[in-house]
Amino acid sequence: DGGITQSPKYLFRKEGQNVTLSCEQNLNHDAMYWYRQDPGQGLRLIYYSQIVNDFQKGDIAEGYSVSREKKESFPLTVTSAQKNPTAFYLCASRRREGQNNEQFFGPGTRLTVL
Amino acid sequence: AQTVTQSQPEMSVQEAETVTLSCTYDTSENNYYLFWYKQPPSRQMILVIRQEAYKQQNATENRFSVNFQKAAKSFSLKISDSQLGDTAMYFCAFMKHLSFGNEKLTFGTGTRLTIIP
Repeated sequence: DGGITQSPKYLFRKEGQNVTLSCEQNLNHDAMYWYRQDPGQGLRLIYYSQIVNDFQKGDIAEGYSVSREKKESFPLTVTSAQKNPTAFYLCASRRREGQNNEQFFGPGTRLTVL
Repeated sequence: AQTVTQSQPEMSVQEAETVTLSCTYDTSENNYYLFWYKQPPSRQMILVIRQEAYKQQNATENRFSVNFQKAAKSFSLKISDSQLGDTAMYFCAFMKHLSFGNEKLTFGTGTRLTIIP
C-alpha cells in the first residue's frame, strides 16, 4: 500500500536532548513538508523540500533541522534550541503534477519533552 | 501574509441534520486555493474538499459542499445528512498559487464538530 509513514507514534525525550522524527513516503512524491500542531492552533509549517538535497524554512523553523538525501525520506530533528518542543508533528507530501495541489498527510508523531 | 479565521471553536449537531462551518481569510492575492481538512480522533488529516479561487462554481463532494464568496473572502463548509463519522476537527486552509513545492498551506485554528446520535 502506498502512503506516508511516521515513526514513532509517541516519543518521549528529556529536555536538552536532540531527537529525530522519521517521515517516509512511497508515493513517489516530489515535495515534502513538516508541520507542527499545538492545542487550539492550526498547523504551522516548519520546513519544506521541493526536491532531493534542497529544502526551505517555513514559518517556525527556529530550533529545527531537516535533510532530504532521498526522495522518499524527510527526517526532522528537534534540537535543544527549540524552546517548546512538545507538540504533535505532521509530515506531508505532494506530487509534482496533478492531484490539484493536495498535500497528503502522515499519521503524525506526538513528541513530549520531559 | 495570509490569515485564516475560523470563528466557531466548537459545534454540535444531531445526526442526519445539516451543519455549516464558517471560514474567512485575508489575502491580497487573486489566484489561490482553499481547502477543508478533517482531523478525526485518530489525528490523521484528510482532505474533504478543495476550491480554486478562479472558479465561480462552488465545489461539491457528496454530502460536503462549500459556499465560496470571493469578494467577501468567505469559504464555508456545509455538511448535509451528518453522520457519526463526521465527528472531527475541521480545518480551513489557504494556499497561494506559487511554483510547485513552494506553496505553503496556512491553516485556521479549527472547529471541533460533534455529531450527536
